[in-house]
Amino acid sequence: GAVVSQHPSWVICKSGTSVKIECRSLDFQATTMFWYRQFPKQSLMLMATSNEGSKATYEQGVEKDKFLINHASLTLSTLTVTSAHPEDSSFYICSASRDRRSSYNEQFFGPGTRLTVL
Amino acid sequence: GQQLNQSPQSMFIQEGEDVSMNCTSSSIFNTWLWYKQDPGEGPVLLIALYKAGELTSNGRLTAQFGITRKDSFLNISASIPSDVGIYFCAGPSFTGNQFYFGTGTSLTVIP
Repeated sequence: GAVVSQHPSWVICKSGTSVKIECRSLDFQATTMFWYRQFPKQSLMLMATSNEGSKATYEQGVEKDKFLINHASLTLSTLTVTSAHPEDSSFYICSASRDRRSSYNEQFFGPGTRLTVL
Repeated sequence: GQQLNQSPQSMFIQEGEDVSMNCTSSSIFNTWLWYKQDPGEGPVLLIALYKAGELTSNGRLTAQFGITRKDSFLNISASIPSDVGIYFCAGPSFTGNQFYFGTGTSLTVIP
């Protein structure tokens, strides 16, 4: 159980276009979803946290107008990179957590989406 | 955010050798997590540690929660080629609502 999927797994787009990435929890309801960005050979950097039906909370330095997050249901969150530029090329990973069962909210990670902006 | 530093940054070892890596923090954590990330994939949880001094195993992997609560260690015994990947430590924030990830240790196993 606790499977998270992402779509697409990779995408190539032209500079200036927008790209939408989907994150789904397949077998559980995710009260919270997280979006991370990972550059080559670097760690995961949290971009934003979203709860179903409410606005996402963005980390410092992340432009909310550029990275639009919609957590429309308990099983789906989307990240839209608007007006993408080559510096937005990265590996985007989502995670989802269900109701708290321990001292922390366990996160289940998706397989990631590789975005390349030409 | 919290800084979690891992060492070594990378390792190149022969198949069959044992591996040790560690993670240190400037602040204490109540939980330590160890993840493995295969190339082009998301992280997968290997081991979770919940109290200082705890030693937990998962197959050939053994992890320890440091007594000071500011560090943790991961050991892999008798490495095999499929151990290749990046290993991350992570600690939940005080509220438990978000994770801080370490800088990662890249492991290459030479057959």
